[in-house]
Amino acid sequence: NAGVMQNPRHLVRRRGQEARLRCSPMKGHSHVYWYRQLPEEGLKFMVYLQKENIIDESGMPKERFSAEFPKEGPSILRIQQVVRGDSAAYFCASLGQGGGTDTQYFGPGTRLTVL
Amino acid sequence: KNEVEQSPQNLTAQEGEFITINCSYSVGISALHWLQQHPGGGIVSLFMLSSGKKKHGRLIATINIQEKHSSLHITASHPRDSAVYICAVIFNTDKLIFGTGTRLQVFP
Repeated sequence: NAGVMQNPRHLVRRRGQEARLRCSPMKGHSHVYWYRQLPEEGLKFMVYLQKENIIDESGMPKERFSAEFPKEGPSILRIQQVVRGDSAAYFCASLGQGGGTDTQYFGPGTRLTVL
Repeated sequence: KNEVEQSPQNLTAQEGEFITINCSYSVGISALHWLQQHPGGGIVSLFMLSSGKKKHGRLIATINIQEKHSSLHITASHPRDSAVYICAVIFNTDKLIFGTGTRLQVFP
């Protein structure tokens, strides 16, 4: 019974390149959250997705960041033209149903380093 | 002003001590989570509470809805409990709002 999977675990990019982070939720889960943890800071909400829908993207930076959760395959967080300030740990979490009263299961995170 | 406040920010303890970490929040919530983040960075959900008290092994979590306050207790602490403990709440949407975390170190 695999948990939430994220890949890659570590990603190094040069400024201006694109970063693609993948999150495979637990089997049967159709809700995914993405969170970002900047160095020495707390976790911050980025985006909440259900299959094929973006429910809440109020935490996403207005430019360069996008997220999707297609009908088939993992959820993807895409960062275009990365800058040094994008260096952070990016976590996804999945749950079976929304409503705020379900446990969120976290993936191991992707640590992005922008050189 | 952070909507979720945790105290203390840092905590050191000797093995065997009873530990309490506090969390307070500003408005009514639908649920509160306690999370544990180990030095390697992985995050584990310890509890999800909307009222009362929950216990799992040496961990106890309580919440007082009227006072907008929750506590996480660790009994008979052990060095392997060393981690960052994070309180997170859900207000009227589904997204988690996180506290800044409490860094716990338990020495043998």
